[in-house]
Amino acid sequence: KQEVTQIPAALSVPEGENLVLNCSFTDSAIYNLQWFRQDPGKGLTSLLLIQSSQREQTSGRLNASLDKSSGRSTLYIAASQPGDSATYLCAVPDTGRRALTFGSGTRLQVQP
Amino acid sequence: DAGVTQSPTHLIKTRGQQVTLRCSPKSGHDTVSWYQQALGQGPQFIFQYYEEEERQRGNFPDRFSGHQFPNYSSELNVNALLLGDSALYLCASSLVRGNTEAFFGQGTRLTVV
Repeated sequence: KQEVTQIPAALSVPEGENLVLNCSFTDSAIYNLQWFRQDPGKGLTSLLLIQSSQREQTSGRLNASLDKSSGRSTLYIAASQPGDSATYLCAVPDTGRRALTFGSGTRLQVQP
Repeated sequence: DAGVTQSPTHLIKTRGQQVTLRCSPKSGHDTVSWYQQALGQGPQFIFQYYEEEERQRGNFPDRFSGHQFPNYSSELNVNALLLGDSALYLCASSLVRGNTEAFFGQGTRLTVV
């Protein structure tokens, strides 16, 4: 059974810092990996989708990397802003299925 | 292009009652999945519908059931509500073929009292 772990659980940084969020998964036979953002009480917004054949995906100040062999992905946020404050979740499809397995998320707070 | 829409936004029910949540997928998507998210946790997969049939199911009791209509929209039904069913219910849509992104709705906050 696929398990996804996100470290750290919470993070508080001053505005302008570059930061890295970590995601690890136990079964490397994945189709892709997706990073989401969730504001309190709201739904999930897709940030980046990395296909299993890719190593990196970039969108604006966000860069996600994927290392299938080690079962790890990182989300890099450059020049953080208070508006980046949210919970960030990574998710992978279960082996042989398309249901997503999520980590518990990293709660990010960017201080102005 | 409308994204995934869910209704209602909030709902309060009494223990033992039944509830129906609704979801309209993103235009062009044919697959709908439902997730339950408890406070402080990641979403947990309930089930997935494609071609009006339940294709995959997570570890949820039979009190949770669903339906998909010919226009790809979907309903989630929960019978005999328990206090522990209080959660944010999320609907996601995607395409059955290819490594495509899952897009989520804004969720329905269900409170069971």
